[in-house]
Amino acid sequence: QSALTQPRSVSGSPGQSVTISCTGTSSDVGGYNYVSWYQQHPGKAPKLMIYEVSKRPSGVPDRFSGSKSGNTASLTISGLQAEDEADYYCCSYAGSNSWVFGGGTKLTVL
Amino acid sequence: QITLKESGPTLVKPTQTLTLTCTFSGFSLSTSGVGVGWIRQPPGKALEWLALIYWDDDKGYSPSLKSRLTITKDTSKNQVVLTMTNMDPVDTATYYCAHMGTATSYFDYWGQGTLVTLSS
Repeated sequence: QSALTQPRSVSGSPGQSVTISCTGTSSDVGGYNYVSWYQQHPGKAPKLMIYEVSKRPSGVPDRFSGSKSGNTASLTISGLQAEDEADYYCCSYAGSNSWVFGGGTKLTVL
Repeated sequence: QITLKESGPTLVKPTQTLTLTCTFSGFSLSTSGVGVGWIRQPPGKALEWLALIYWDDDKGYSPSLKSRLTITKDTSKNQVVLTMTNMDPVDTATYYCAHMGTATSYFDYWGQGTLVTLSS
């Protein structure tokens, strides 16, 4: 069970859109529609942003969206805002009561 | 309102056993489908899932750490306990517990985390 692969960093200007990818295998991302995404600001606990690939919890702006194709899931943030600057982690169910996180992506808002 | 809070030693010596407690409120671990998991994060590094326990005492462990981890629950005290044996400096991390709702697969509420440092 290896960590899911995410780009180490992405960046975008305010108002632009960015997409963060999360690549796994058929045993995790590709095998289940149980991908979630978490936002983490420095020194804070992670916050759930997307669950079950594309669903948004109450209170999360609709600028955040998720999708999946094969073994790769994606988080797209549109209309970037300064407060979106944070680390983002994907997570997938990997079967047999186990989960796996991605390596994390640092989003910089230019 | 669901809250979780981790507690335990902040400093552990190599080879010792770490015992962390997650005390929660706002839900019951006797409710069908509910779970509590543990996730850790070494300083400046990524999140790593460690273990999870369900309402019915079903459990899951990280394959790479399974031999060192034990997760238990005390429903009457609203607590989940994680023990990790044979601690090593690479286990220095912030340890989080998190809630998993009924029939879900994601962590929707997290504790604030507790930093555990390994030092001889």
